[in-house]
Amino acid sequence: SQQGEEDPQALSIQEGENATMNCSYKTSINNLQWYRQNSGRGLVHLILIRSNEREKHSGRLRVTLDTSKKSSSLLITASRAADTASYFCATDKGSGGSNYKLTFGKGTLLTVNP
Amino acid sequence: ETGVTQSPTHLIKTRGQQVTLRCSSQSGHNTVSWYQQALGQGPQFIFQYYREEENGRGNFPPRFSGLQFPNYSSELNVNALELDDSALYLCASSHPQSREQYFGPGTRLTVT
Repeated sequence: SQQGEEDPQALSIQEGENATMNCSYKTSINNLQWYRQNSGRGLVHLILIRSNEREKHSGRLRVTLDTSKKSSSLLITASRAADTASYFCATDKGSGGSNYKLTFGKGTLLTVNP
Repeated sequence: ETGVTQSPTHLIKTRGQQVTLRCSSQSGHNTVSWYQQALGQGPQFIFQYYREEENGRGNFPPRFSGLQFPNYSSELNVNALELDDSALYLCASSHPQSREQYFGPGTRLTVT
């Protein structure tokens, strides 16, 4: 079963605009991660935010986490055509150490038009 | 590039057959996880191996099995293939000190 649910399912914007994707999850987590996937190929790790963090930045990416609402958002600023991809949130609620697994949502398909 | 490789890239099998998919992890990454991604869905966790032992399993039947080797390579074996096994199979390796996973490009399996 999928723990995370991204919203919207699809998003189409113009180059230079900001893109915001949201993720909701159901149970407590250790951390939440965002991944990008181009054309059904391998996933690329974007950013990890721990359960005790509220906001994190990496380049043009900004992630927020609200554990009370069990939700996270990913903001991509000044989008580029190369940002066109599917974006997934993944929750990690493993027991610690080497034992953990990621539970992914269904993803948001972002299209950035030139 | 994540340094994780998978083979083959594409594979077509017939229902009832068996398949072995291979993954080569980054050096030093002694944890490997396998995921199944159906079209239009997010990846689903199959199982994880740590130091050559299964270290967690998702909701997949026993006909999905795996092996991990000391040289950072691993295998996913699926017996008695079913049409619903058609999917992209992803392996991901990670360092024990990090929760970030590094994914390979995947193997696209089609069962006819």
